[in-house]
Amino acid sequence: DTAVSQTPKYLVTQMGNDKSIKCEQNLGHDTMYWYKQDSKKFLKIMFSYNNKELIINETVPNRFSPKSPDKAHLNLHINSLELGDSAVYFCASSRWTGPRGDTQYFGPGTRLTVL
Amino acid sequence: GQQLNQSPQSMFIQEGEDVSMNCTSSSIFNTWLWYKQEPGEGPVLLIALYKAGELTSNGRLTAQFGITRKDSFLNISASIPSDVGIYFCAGQLQGGSEKLVFGKGMKLTVNP
Repeated sequence: DTAVSQTPKYLVTQMGNDKSIKCEQNLGHDTMYWYKQDSKKFLKIMFSYNNKELIINETVPNRFSPKSPDKAHLNLHINSLELGDSAVYFCASSRWTGPRGDTQYFGPGTRLTVL
Repeated sequence: GQQLNQSPQSMFIQEGEDVSMNCTSSSIFNTWLWYKQEPGEGPVLLIALYKAGELTSNGRLTAQFGITRKDSFLNISASIPSDVGIYFCAGQLQGGSEKLVFGKGMKLTVNP
């Protein structure tokens, strides 16, 4: 009965590789997000999708490409991985209630380590 | 970008003590949220506040949405060892999108 799930939990890879992280929510929400948490635990939004449409893109390098095949899924693909991409990536979801937004529920995170 | 100033950055307390933390900003927020993150897990929502002046409790936790809409505090009473973790405030800006702005977190350690 997991609400927001992410795979994989851990991802270790070499610089220059391409990798994907998957996210699924079974809460019936129509808005999903990707956050990056750095080594100092600072959480920063990267992307947000509402009904499969991109609504927030926080000037993330275009090596990062989110894809939302449907409302329940938001995947993150990263090309040409760099050392600085090492972080924990969190997926989150919420109901769409207009500009005010609604409470966001987070997944367990994916720890990406780039060697 | 917009920033939330969260303080203190860390606290070491004895079991049974109360603890307070707060977040301030120079911007006005429509919503304040408090999350707790345990090691290896994602942030979990503790309390959501939607109106200026609102005071809400969740068990031993109490949070308030500041009357100026620029600040919020979270109190934990009678702390227990499982309260350890990182506590984040987060807010949604007035006139902004559903984007959440997070504070830098407060790491709480509770000594039994």
